[in-house]
Amino acid sequence: ETGVTQTPRHLVMGMTNKKSLKCEQHLGHNAMYWYKQSAKKPLELMFVYNFKEQTENNSVPSRFSPECPNSSHLFLHLHTLQPEDSALYLCASSQRTGTIKTYGYTFGSGTRLTVV
Amino acid sequence: QKEVEQDPGPLSVPEGAIVSLNCTYSNSAFQYFMWYRQYSRKGPELLMYTYSSGNKEDGRFTAQVDKSSKYISLFIRDSQPSDSATYLCAMSGYWGGSEKLVFGKGTKLTVNP
Repeated sequence: ETGVTQTPRHLVMGMTNKKSLKCEQHLGHNAMYWYKQSAKKPLELMFVYNFKEQTENNSVPSRFSPECPNSSHLFLHLHTLQPEDSALYLCASSQRTGTIKTYGYTFGSGTRLTVV
Repeated sequence: QKEVEQDPGPLSVPEGAIVSLNCTYSNSAFQYFMWYRQYSRKGPELLMYTYSSGNKEDGRFTAQVDKSSKYISLFIRDSQPSDSATYLCAMSGYWGGSEKLVFGKGTKLTVNP
């Protein structure tokens, strides 16, 4: 399979549950990202990993915990979420060459998360 | 003032119409300008990108950047029902020691047969 694959596509979880979102990229990119997409809001960057190292955390609550075991896989571990965390969570990857070239983001189809 | 402003619409046009989508921005550090298209239940996909002021054409799509006015546009000629999607503008620049990519809210477009 090519591109960026996210699983599961849909997830309903209670506020006391623990779940994980998975992302896998088959593009050979060296950077991976988690974004949150809510209705009528711009895409919100959550985390950035560059060569498996977290380089950015945009003041995301600790109930979201990312993990990047290698350049191809990215996880988002979820625990004790709130209903306002319900959104589409998108994973993306890109090739960072050290110059300003961010136009090459490839997104997955996202995980639609509902917190009840 | 928000960094990137984009009217969320929705915008509904008949098939064959010319569509104009726009974004304004406030940060002069933005250097790359992009348009993404997002179909329902899919992630965004890159449609076009431009670096400098001026026009860039790709088939029925034209991206326009006016850095002096901090204004970017996407024109769709001879619009088709398959163009129905949400269009997100995005722009990137380097400041504060890192590269940043900022998205607009997206404009939902429906092209009616």
